[in-house]
Amino acid sequence: EPEVTQTPSHQVTQMGQEVILRCVPISNHLYFYWYRQILGQKVEFLVSFYNNEISEKSEIFDDQFSVERPDGSNFTLKIRSTKLEDSAMYFCASSEPGLVDTQYFGPGTRLTVL
Amino acid sequence: AQSVAQPEDQVNVAEGNPLTVKCTYSVSGNPYLFWYVQYPNRGLQFLLKYITGDNLVKGSYGFEAEFNKSQTSFHLKKPSALVSDSALYFCAVSPPATGRRALTFGSGTRLQVQP
Repeated sequence: EPEVTQTPSHQVTQMGQEVILRCVPISNHLYFYWYRQILGQKVEFLVSFYNNEISEKSEIFDDQFSVERPDGSNFTLKIRSTKLEDSAMYFCASSEPGLVDTQYFGPGTRLTVL
Repeated sequence: AQSVAQPEDQVNVAEGNPLTVKCTYSVSGNPYLFWYVQYPNRGLQFLLKYITGDNLVKGSYGFEAEFNKSQTSFHLKKPSALVSDSALYFCAVSPPATGRRALTFGSGTRLQVQP
């Protein structure tokens, strides 16, 4: 069964550094998403991406964040200058185009900002 | 704004007994509702969804959920729990018929099935 994959599984970085989290969505999916889960809190939506542009973003997704689909398979989330409060589990998801498509999630990348 | 509430942080049930994990929602219009399960060190796995039609939705691993519009609830159920069902369960809602796709999640309920 096709799966969403994410690398790395765990990323440790210093405050102020840039990080790039990578995701390979399911191959025939056209919508891509990033969510995050701060330890002990709810899963929160960050951004959705379709047809090479952001289709929706939350208040969390400020100018420090960016997304890109650099090639036909990868989908990346970049945090330009990490803060302590960016420490979280980041989940990538993808879905087929449809009015109520099911989002399939990857295993997550745990980001620790020191 | 839409929201999801999962009133129980943890549900304990004995193996073989029926289980219910509760979820209530608040949204304008007809909701699209989802259940996901998270096992340790794994991502969120899709269990089932309600879009329209029959209020009882059947999903993976023998789970089902009942949509109740008057009570704004979407409780997850299983007739006979297994130890392997022990995990973290999330209810989620997406905006109805707006073209937006962001899922709003509940806080999660930890299900513990005792042998």
